[in-house]
Amino acid sequence: SQKIEQNSEALNIQEGKTATLTCNYTNYSPAYLQWYRQDPGRGPVFLLLIRENEKEKRKERLKVTFDTTLKQSLFHITASQPADSATYLCALHSGNTPLVFGKGTRLSVIA
Amino acid sequence: DTGVSQNPRHKITKRGQNVTFRCDPISEHNRLYWYRQTLGQGPEFLTYFQNEAQLEKSRLLSDRFSAERPKGSFSTLEIQRTEQGDSAMYLCASREGAEAFFGQGTRLTVV
Repeated sequence: SQKIEQNSEALNIQEGKTATLTCNYTNYSPAYLQWYRQDPGRGPVFLLLIRENEKEKRKERLKVTFDTTLKQSLFHITASQPADSATYLCALHSGNTPLVFGKGTRLSVIA
Repeated sequence: DTGVSQNPRHKITKRGQNVTFRCDPISEHNRLYWYRQTLGQGPEFLTYFQNEAQLEKSRLLSDRFSAERPKGSFSTLEIQRTEQGDSAMYLCASREGAEAFFGQGTRLTVV
């Protein structure tokens, strides 16, 4: 069955550093990989989408890479701020199929 | 308001009672998804509608769960004879393209 692993349950970093979160998957060949942010008690909010034929995507301080050979995506937040503290979820899908989510990584940025 | 709306935000019910949740998607989105999320886990897919047609149901969706989307607009999720294991956050999302827009969720507590 499809399996998605976000390697760290929790990640603590100092303000100003780059946070790197990992998403690995098995038994799946997704056409799309997405990253969402979720704050406590709220629904996930879309951040970035990357397609299987794209290696890298950037948006402001965010960068996502997608390696379909390694079956891995890396999500980077540069110049991290305490306001970036949240849970980050990766999700995979193909076309209109439902998104399949990982467990998420809880990021804490310490001032 | 152009977002996804879910009601109620919180529901406390006694074991054995029936509960119903409502989701109002973004009006131009024809696809609607229900997910369940427990503490420390990512959202788990339950069921999916395209317009009024229920196209897919997860094996997680027991016979006690039923969902409808009359006229392809709002959707309801009903849980009959609730059990303590049903306690979770129930999330609704709508999509037109690849990006999913989530509501704030309904937190169900079964006592």
